[in-house]
Amino acid sequence: GESVGLHLPTLSVQEGDNSIINCAYSNSASDYFIWYKQESGKGPQFIIDIRSNMDKRQGQRVTVLLNKTVKHLSLQIAATQPGDSAVYFCAEHNLIQGAQKLVFGQGTRLTINP
Amino acid sequence: GAGVSQSPRYKVAKRGQDVALRCDPISGHVSLFWYQQALGQGPEFLTYFQNEAQLDKSGLPSDRFFAERPEGSVSTLKIQRTQQEDSAVYLCASTTLGGGISPLHFGNGTRLTVT
Repeated sequence: GESVGLHLPTLSVQEGDNSIINCAYSNSASDYFIWYKQESGKGPQFIIDIRSNMDKRQGQRVTVLLNKTVKHLSLQIAATQPGDSAVYFCAEHNLIQGAQKLVFGQGTRLTINP
Repeated sequence: GAGVSQSPRYKVAKRGQDVALRCDPISGHVSLFWYQQALGQGPEFLTYFQNEAQLDKSGLPSDRFFAERPEGSVSTLKIQRTQQEDSAVYLCASTTLGGGISPLHFGNGTRLTVT
């Protein structure tokens, strides 16, 4: 399944399938991007990050893709598990707004169906 | 503990009361941030410290909000004369760097409910 940016805040996929969460960021000067996972009642948990001089970065079961031309960021989660159910936020950082002020998107709720 | 610790976990205040929210960052982390998260929304930046210096407080919504980090470690976010619109989760985050880029490590937040 695939979500289209932040206009579709919920995404449901079957356990074992791959999921793609998209994010449109706002500032072309942003130089660093992070994906966070937030479970109910907890703070955001770091998943993966990417700098603006890269277009792809892979972690364990996760891949982040960055397209600076269209200011688009995506998070791919492979072989989803029930524990992946959470809200996922993209965040962008840029120096114009001051050191280390991350700006968060609204988030996408991912639900993994058994 | 190894992570960012926030207390209290939950706080209920009557409108007009003052509240103080505490954050214990990861030991040795130079930078500390406060964010406000309304229900169903992403975190919104409030303020940023590098050691004891408050370098950016542009996100504080009014002069009722005040943050301090006097010794460069523990931080307190104080809200005076609370209003219902202050109800939210207040998140604290820290990171090692003083300049450069690295991910923020968040605590589990304080949920403030103003009645």
